[in-house]
Amino acid sequence: ETGVTQSPTHLIKTRGQQVTLRCSSQSGHNTVSWYQQALGQGPQFIFQYYREEENGRGNFPPRFSGLQFPNYSSELNVNALELDDSALYLCASSMAGTSRSYEQYFGPGTRLTVT
Amino acid sequence: AQKVTQAQTEISVVEKEDVTLDCVYETRDTTYYLFWYKQPPSGELVFLIRRNSFDEQNEISGRYSWNFQKSTSSFNFTITASQVVDSAVYFCALSEAQITGYSTLTFGKGTMLLVSP
Repeated sequence: ETGVTQSPTHLIKTRGQQVTLRCSSQSGHNTVSWYQQALGQGPQFIFQYYREEENGRGNFPPRFSGLQFPNYSSELNVNALELDDSALYLCASSMAGTSRSYEQYFGPGTRLTVT
Repeated sequence: AQKVTQAQTEISVVEKEDVTLDCVYETRDTTYYLFWYKQPPSGELVFLIRRNSFDEQNEISGRYSWNFQKSTSSFNFTITASQVVDSAVYFCALSEAQITGYSTLTFGKGTMLLVSP
């Protein structure tokens, strides 16, 4: 069974730029959630994708957007980067429609630094 | 709104000591799920346990045990005979059952556990 993978591992961007982060879900999982974890904090929910549509969103501005592809992989896009966007971005996959749909399995994360 | 509080920011113990990590939650739902995750320095969140709100039975898995008390809205985690490899940040999280079918995790701020030899 293949776990959740994310790329890239680390990324350095300049304020105002745009960034795309990628996530491949665990095999058999159809739902992907994205979380932002600032230093010293717990992860904060950004949004969730199911059947290629946004299925729920946390308190993040529209410059945070995403996609889900037919193979259930996903992208997180952030436009007009700000210094406060520096964080670890975690992707989690789960299997909606099963008794274990509330169990989310996380990838290793992408560390984004905005300078 | 749901909330998870982990009052202990950092705990330091010596190997073989027992340690308990506290978690208090708030929710208006009657159906919800509670989780513990471990985050080693590598950054990946490792799933440890899930509990639903209707199951207050305590659980033991090897050196790990969990005490769920609905009356006090607490879901505490105990590591018995701690080891250096247990050093990590531990997160408690809450998920409410959503009518729309999607669920999201609300995390506490985490407790950093340092186990020294």
